[in-house]
Amino acid sequence: NAGVTQTPKFRVLKTGQSMTLLCAQDMNHEYMYWYRQDPGMGLRLIHYSVGEGTTAKGEVPDGYNVSRLKKQNFLLGLESAAPSQTSVYFCASSRAGDFTDTQYFGPGTRLTVL
Amino acid sequence: RKEVEQDPGPFNVPEGATVAFNCTYSNSASQSFFWYRQDCRKEPKLLMSVYSSGNEDGRFTAQLNRASQYISLLIRDSKLSDSATYLCVVNRQAGTALIFGKGTTLSVSS
Repeated sequence: NAGVTQTPKFRVLKTGQSMTLLCAQDMNHEYMYWYRQDPGMGLRLIHYSVGEGTTAKGEVPDGYNVSRLKKQNFLLGLESAAPSQTSVYFCASSRAGDFTDTQYFGPGTRLTVL
Repeated sequence: RKEVEQDPGPFNVPEGATVAFNCTYSNSASQSFFWYRQDCRKEPKLLMSVYSSGNEDGRFTAQLNRASQYISLLIRDSKLSDSATYLCVVNRQAGTALIFGKGTTLSVSS
C-alpha cells in the first residue's frame, strides 16, 4: 500500500509555463483534495473532488484547474504559472464521510515559479 | 476574527514537560474538530479527533469548549519526537471542507 503519492516531488517553472501535478491513491477513497501551503498561511484548499468525475472549488481556486477522470487519480493543472504560485502543494484523500474522515496526505510537491 | 487561530509559537520545552496549545474558531456552526501533526518538510498526519466530552490518547489530551469556541491539546511528558507543528482543524459546518489553522510549533529539547 503506497497510500497517497505525488508526482513530481520538485519542479521549477518559468512564468507563463504550464504543468500538471499528479496525485494517486490506492486506498479506494472517494474524496480527494489539493492544498497549497505557504509560510505563515497554513494549508489552503484549492480544489477538491467527492467522487470520480466530480470537482469543486475550494478557498483559492484561481489559476488552477483539476480533473478526476479515474477514482484513484486527481490532477492539478497550472495553465500559466505565476510567481505567486510558488508553494508546496499537498494532495490528500479520505473516504466518503461528510469531509470528516481522516485525510491522508501525499509527501508534497515543491514548486518554484521564476 | 480569523476562522481558525493558533498561537504560532514556537514553544520550547525540555523533555518531560507538559505543554498545552489552544486554538480558537470563529464559526459557532462548526461540527468537527481535529489536531493534525506536521513534521518539518513533511506532510500533515492526523494526531487525534476532538470530541465534545474530551478525549485522551496516551500522553495527548484534547478538549473542546463549544461555548468559548476553542480547542486545546495537552501533551504530557514531552518527548524529543514530539517536536513538530500542530495544526488545529475544523469545519465551518456539517458537510463542508475542513479549515486548517496555521499551526503551533513545538520544540522539545534534551
